[in-house]
Amino acid sequence: GAVVSQHPSWVICKSGTSVKIECRSLDFQATTMFWYRQFPKQSLMLMATSNEGSKATYEQGVEKDKFLINHASLTLSTLTVTSAHPEDSSFYICSASFDGRSYEQYFGPGTRLTVT
Amino acid sequence: DQQVKQNSPSLSVQEGRISILNCDYTNSMFDYFLWYKKYPAEGPTFLISISSIKDKNEDGRFTVFLNKSAKHLSLHIVPSQPGDSAVYFCAASETGANNLFFGTGTRLTVIP
Repeated sequence: GAVVSQHPSWVICKSGTSVKIECRSLDFQATTMFWYRQFPKQSLMLMATSNEGSKATYEQGVEKDKFLINHASLTLSTLTVTSAHPEDSSFYICSASFDGRSYEQYFGPGTRLTVT
Repeated sequence: DQQVKQNSPSLSVQEGRISILNCDYTNSMFDYFLWYKKYPAEGPTFLISISSIKDKNEDGRFTVFLNKSAKHLSLHIVPSQPGDSAVYFCAASETGANNLFFGTGTRLTVIP
């Protein structure tokens, strides 16, 4: 149980375009979803936390207008990278928790974004 | 500021021997610690955790030790198997907080 999926698993886009990444909890209702970013050989950095039906809480240094997060239902959250630039190329991972406790996060497989 | 640190980026161990992965943290408010295993191009998978009220937690071949006074935890894998080869992240959480703080990971290679 507690499976989280992400789509797409990898995407290549041109600079200036927008990309949407979906994160779904397949067998549980996720009250909270988290979006992380990982650069090569670095740690997972939390970008934002979203609760179903409310606005996401962004970590310091993360641009809200660039990384749009929507958590419209208890099983789906989306991250849209707007006006993507090559420096946005990274591995994006979502996770979900079903009772709001951060230590019970279940991670998706990640999405590799390459901006050319 | 990295609140959770894994100072060894890589570790190689012979199959059957013990693997010891280390993690240090700076925030004394952290009270729950986890280890995740990650394969390339995949999300982390939960491995084992420990609460600050304990100093040891064991699950099969995996044991996590916590030394609160030293703000240090370690993951022991014994016996190590080639399938254990992956990147291991430690993470820490504070009760009431909403996020996990991850270390930078240690790449474990188990040599057959």
